[in-house]
Amino acid sequence: GAVVSQHPSRVICKSGTSVKIECRSLDFQATTMFWYRQFPKKSLMLMATSNEGSKATYEQGVEKDKFLINHASLTLSTLTVTSAHPEDSSFYICSARWTSTDTQYFGPGTRLTVL
Amino acid sequence: RKEVEQDPGPFNVPEGATVAFNCTYSNSASQSFFWYRQDCRKEPKLLMSVYSSGNEDGRFTAQLNRASQYISLLIRDSKLSDSATYLCVALGGTYKYIFGTGTRLKVLA
Repeated sequence: GAVVSQHPSRVICKSGTSVKIECRSLDFQATTMFWYRQFPKKSLMLMATSNEGSKATYEQGVEKDKFLINHASLTLSTLTVTSAHPEDSSFYICSARWTSTDTQYFGPGTRLTVL
Repeated sequence: RKEVEQDPGPFNVPEGATVAFNCTYSNSASQSFFWYRQDCRKEPKLLMSVYSSGNEDGRFTAQLNRASQYISLLIRDSKLSDSATYLCVALGGTYKYIFGTGTRLKVLA
């Protein structure tokens, strides 16, 4: 299957700082990537759809100024959590869509802890 | 009604048992369907896509019933390592993936 990497895998930061998470499709080009967050024992929650070369589409209730998404190339999307607060602590997972089969492949996730 | 519904379980089954999960979807325009498994504190991993004619991969069989709008996953000869949460996913219009809440499976020794 296709490989998607995510970096960093774990980050601990202080309140008020910004954290950038990178999502890369390593062996295929992805015009569309997705960002999810997941709280313990809860379902994945789609935050936004990231489209290469255009603005991301955010889900209702997700603040676009707080969660900045950039999809500058066909293999890289970034999510920046700005002015992080403890309630932003969560598991953030990206995925990339393999166009030919419409299959999503997930990155390994980033565990964010805001102190 | 949720767009994709799954029984959350948990399904507790002994090793070697056969277990089946169903998943219903409400959007008749959904075209593609997938099963993922997710282990605790890990990302979802693709288990299999679900094709109209049904498909099998080793001990796993997936089927799609468009008339009744459900998909199923059958696991034969369950292993301890099959213990995980199984996520049903439907791809609707505008390329939005809709996830079920997942079904927890525990295979017991």
